[in-house]
Amino acid sequence: ETGVTQSPTHLIKTRGQQVTLRCSSQSGHNTVSWYQQALGQGPQFIFQYYREEENGRGNFPPRFSGLQFPNYSSELNVNALELDDSALYLCASSRTIFQETQYFGPGTRLLVL
Amino acid sequence: AQSVAQPEDQVNVAEGNPLTVKCTYSVSGNPYLFWYVQYPNRGLQFLLKYITGDNLVKGSYGFEAEFNKSQTSFHLKKPSALVSDSALYFCAVRVIQGAQKLVFGQGTRLTINP
Repeated sequence: ETGVTQSPTHLIKTRGQQVTLRCSSQSGHNTVSWYQQALGQGPQFIFQYYREEENGRGNFPPRFSGLQFPNYSSELNVNALELDDSALYLCASSRTIFQETQYFGPGTRLLVL
Repeated sequence: AQSVAQPEDQVNVAEGNPLTVKCTYSVSGNPYLFWYVQYPNRGLQFLLKYITGDNLVKGSYGFEAEFNKSQTSFHLKKPSALVSDSALYFCAVRVIQGAQKLVFGQGTRLTINP
């Protein structure tokens, strides 16, 4: 196990609702990245947080937002949920912003009805 | 665009036989390449990476990967497959666009038959 934890494990929401997913990074890691993995696809980069600020963003709309806290834990918020947001959401941590290896948590599976 | 491709959606191998899961890359400059494995209802587990140096990289659970610059490939290998190796395997490349992010292939489902 990587030491990266995510909650909840599963979530069901309806279209238009808002959702918050949580991640605790591995001890000593200060950089957190979020990925979306749709069914049958590879993970897609959403954004990265370092020192409580967004450090880079993938091709996702502004209704996907995040936070990083002083203890390096992180949240992913998605507003105005759409059916296509149904996916496995993965959090990954790395020791620093410069370390290339990312260690993933078990993910949160989100179903939007 | 920097990317990786996994040409096989599925690979089937008999237990005890050698296995290969293929990956090719398209990257400007020197690539940083990774292999991850995903078991059912689990996140991604890091197997190995290539940054520089020896073209044969050894990783977890007896896996290794061979970096071939002329063929732009980074194939994952194991000399003797186990049934427990059955999982979804992802190749990834590091891309720096503001952040260091991983760009993943579509994945290859590996099935080891007893």
